[in-house]
Amino acid sequence: GAVVSQHPSWVICKSGTSVKIECRSLDFQATTMFWYRQFPKQSLMLMATSNEGSKATYEQGVEKDKFLINHASLTLSTLTVTSAHPEDSSFYICSEHSGRVNEQFFGPGTRLTVL
Amino acid sequence: DAKTTQPTSMDCAEGRAANLPCNHSTISGNEYVYWYRQIHSQGPQYIIHGLKNNETNEMASLIITEDRKSSTLILPHATLRDTAVYYCIVSTNNLFFGTGTRLTVIP
Repeated sequence: GAVVSQHPSWVICKSGTSVKIECRSLDFQATTMFWYRQFPKQSLMLMATSNEGSKATYEQGVEKDKFLINHASLTLSTLTVTSAHPEDSSFYICSEHSGRVNEQFFGPGTRLTVL
Repeated sequence: DAKTTQPTSMDCAEGRAANLPCNHSTISGNEYVYWYRQIHSQGPQYIIHGLKNNETNEMASLIITEDRKSSTLILPHATLRDTAVYYCIVSTNNLFFGTGTRLTVIP
């Protein structure tokens, strides 16, 4: 399957700072990437769909001004958590659409801890 | 919104087949059935997907009932490394995860 990487794998930051998470498609040009977050002992929640060269589409309840998504190239999408607060502490996971029949491949995730 | 129902947890003896059921009674004609699994603190891993025919790959088999209202994921010879949360998802595009089944493979 396709290879998706995320950086950093974990990050600890102070409340009020912004954190950028990168998602890279290493062997495929992904026109669409997805961002999820997962709180402890809960399932993954889709946050937004990131389309190369256009604005991201956010799911209901996800603040677009707080979670800035940029998909400037076919291999890179970034999620910036602005003015992070402790309640934003979560496991953030990206995925790419392979272009084949509806397969998505997920990155390893980024664990964000906001103090 | 998740449109599937799965048991919360299951145990399976190592070396035996693990059969994970999923109900999706409201599935529509163009929706696929996907199975992913997530090992602790990792991203989900794609296992298999199908539309109406049974499917098999190197990881698992997917059995879909004729009316498509339910399916079963079969891991033919479970190993300890198969311990994970298994998610059954029905979708045409975006994947919305439910609570999944926590499979524990017991030595």
